[in-house]
Amino acid sequence: AQSVAQPEDQVNVAEGNPLTVKCTYSVSGNPYLFWYVQYPNRGLQFLLKYITGDNLVKGSYGFEAEFNKSQTSFHLKKPSALVSDSALYFCAVRDPYMFSGGYNKLIFGAGTRLAVHP
Amino acid sequence: EAQVTQNPRYLITVTGKKLTVTCSQNMNHEYMSWYRQDPGLGLRQIYYSMNVEVTDKGDVPEGYKVSRKEKRNFPLILESPSPNQTSLYFCASSTGTGNTGELFFGEGSRLTVL
Repeated sequence: AQSVAQPEDQVNVAEGNPLTVKCTYSVSGNPYLFWYVQYPNRGLQFLLKYITGDNLVKGSYGFEAEFNKSQTSFHLKKPSALVSDSALYFCAVRDPYMFSGGYNKLIFGAGTRLAVHP
Repeated sequence: EAQVTQNPRYLITVTGKKLTVTCSQNMNHEYMSWYRQDPGLGLRQIYYSMNVEVTDKGDVPEGYKVSRKEKRNFPLILESPSPNQTSLYFCASSTGTGNTGELFFGEGSRLTVL
């Protein structure tokens, strides 16, 4: 069965330090992987995705993520955190060979709250 | 501006009183979907629609109905709401060509059923 795990409920980082938000996944085939961010009282905003190609993908607001097939991970990273990065982050996976839910269905992790302190 | 619009954003209702949450997108997307977000569970798909007049159940469809009479609109209907449907609801849309594209989400509708 498809699943996504975000092992940390919350990540605390000092402003200016690098940050990592962890994500591991389980799908039957080659996955499509996504990161979304949710600011308070707002919808989910797309950050970046991995479909194929270079394992390091760059996205919005200076975020990047590294796809690691052997570890089935897709960790979100940023070299220097900002207080404004504080939000709820969701990792999501799509199995391109599974039609259940429509071919655009995403399976989401439980979310990780990122708190960046001044 | 490309967007997915949901209404209402906030609603408090009582058990058994029918309600509809509207969703409209202006991107001419074929695919639309409803998710609910609950703490510790992430987002779970309720229903989805591949195109006009084509809808199907997601992972947690019990107690919900949807319709897709027009391409831009995808309302979520709770015929007889119950307290376990208290949640944050998101409508999302995407292009229908291939499945590599991201979902575009609305701002969310927070529903409380007393």
